[in-house]
Amino acid sequence: TQLLEQSPQFLSIQEGENLTVYCNSSSVFSSLQWYRQEPGEGPVLLVTVVTGGEVKKLKRLTFQFGDARKDSSLHITAAQPGDTGLYLCAGLRKGYSTLTFGKGTMLLVSP
Amino acid sequence: GAGVSQSPSNKVTEKGKDVELRCDPISGHTALYWYRQSLGQGLEFLIYFQGNSAPDKSGLPSDRFSAERTGGSVSTLTIQRTQQEDSAVYLCASSIVGGRVTSGRAPYTDTQYFGPGTRLTVL
Repeated sequence: TQLLEQSPQFLSIQEGENLTVYCNSSSVFSSLQWYRQEPGEGPVLLVTVVTGGEVKKLKRLTFQFGDARKDSSLHITAAQPGDTGLYLCAGLRKGYSTLTFGKGTMLLVSP
Repeated sequence: GAGVSQSPSNKVTEKGKDVELRCDPISGHTALYWYRQSLGQGLEFLIYFQGNSAPDKSGLPSDRFSAERTGGSVSTLTIQRTQQEDSAVYLCASSIVGGRVTSGRAPYTDTQYFGPGTRLTVL
């Protein structure tokens, strides 16, 4: 059983569209991070959220941590081809020192 | 400055052979992590080194897997008697502090900087 479920697994959209990807769990996390990974490269950290209900914005990307600290979402406004990549969420559980990763959402933005 | 580097970038081996994968972390980073990423899977934690503490080996899938970190810097992941299911991309990451960081708010992990990975193919 996957501790962090990401949906959708794959998303193909046109440039300019908006989208939301989700990261859900039945477990509570102390904090949650979102990464983007491009082909042939390692993941790059986008954001860390630590407070239930927290919303963070990074240009056209909006990240939200659920009130109960069990889920998170990533919303992209006016997607661009440069947003193409694998988006991974990763959470830190109570009592753990290492992250648990979801399987990721593969986003393809076409011109 | 230089990021995390890994070598080789690609490795093809025959079933039953041993392989060594190398990771050069960012200078000054005390924490080093190894992950495995298989097709359609997320990152699977393998092992974590922090300073001079005993490594957290809880993610190693079998006793065929081992890792060491010499001098608090370079790390080598060794897979003995490789199997086809070991085929994956092996990623290394380093961070300044590592582990759970608490600074007046909820615990989090400091930024992990990933290398480009080693793609291992076991025939």
